[in-house]
Amino acid sequence: AQKVTQAQTEISVVEKEDVTLDCVYETRDTTYYLFWYKQPPSGELVFLIRRNSFDEQNEISGRYSWNFQKSTSSFNFTITASQVVDSAVYFCAHAGRDSWGKLQFGAGTQVVVTP
Amino acid sequence: DVKVTQSSRYLVKRTGEKVFLECVQDMDHENMFWYRQDPGLGLRLIYFSYDVKMKEKGDIPEGYSVSREKKERFSLILESASTNQTSMYLCASSLDLTDEAFFGQGTRLTVV
Repeated sequence: AQKVTQAQTEISVVEKEDVTLDCVYETRDTTYYLFWYKQPPSGELVFLIRRNSFDEQNEISGRYSWNFQKSTSSFNFTITASQVVDSAVYFCAHAGRDSWGKLQFGAGTQVVVTP
Repeated sequence: DVKVTQSSRYLVKRTGEKVFLECVQDMDHENMFWYRQDPGLGLRLIYFSYDVKMKEKGDIPEGYSVSREKKERFSLILESASTNQTSMYLCASSLDLTDEAFFGQGTRLTVV
C-alpha cells in the first residue's frame, strides 16, 4: 500500500529564511505521480507541482524548488527567501498506477513565516 | 476562472440526521472526489467518481454514500450523522485521474 510521510508537523521561520519540507513515500508501483499542494488559511488547497516517477529532474519555479530522488523515495520542497504569504499547510501526495484516483496525502506540514 | 463550489462553508447537524454535502464544478471534469481532513491525518479519500453514476470507494467509505446524477455535481451523504463524522470535508475534481485536482473551499461539519 502507498504511504506518504511528512515528518515535520510545523516549521517556523523568519521572513527571508529558506525552508525545506520533507516528503518520503512508500510505493510498490513502478509508475506513479507525486504532488505538492498548499493550503492557505482560507482552506482551499492549491496545486503546486506534479512529477511522474520517470522524471527525476529537479524543478524550480520562482522561489519554489523541488528535489525528487527515487533512490531515497523522497520528494522534498524548498521555499527560498520565505515570505509571510508562504504561511500555510503544505501537503505532499502520491498516486500510483495500481490505484489511479486514490491520491494518498501526507499529514501536512504547517509553515509559519513571521516578519 | 475554474471553480469547485461546495454548498456550505459551515454546517451544524444533530446526531442521527441525514446530511447532504453538495459540490459543483464548472470545468467539465470527468472525475470528482470527496475527502475528509482531520488534524494530523491529512486528507483521506472517502469516495470518488470517474463518470456520471459511477463511483468507487476510497479509504474511509464507512458511514458515507455518494451520488452523481450529473457530470458537474457530486453529493456526499451521511445517512445517519455521528459525532465522529465531525470534520472538514473537501470536494475536488480533475480532468484525468493523474492530473492535478482542483479543490473547493471546504465544508466544516459539526455533528452534535
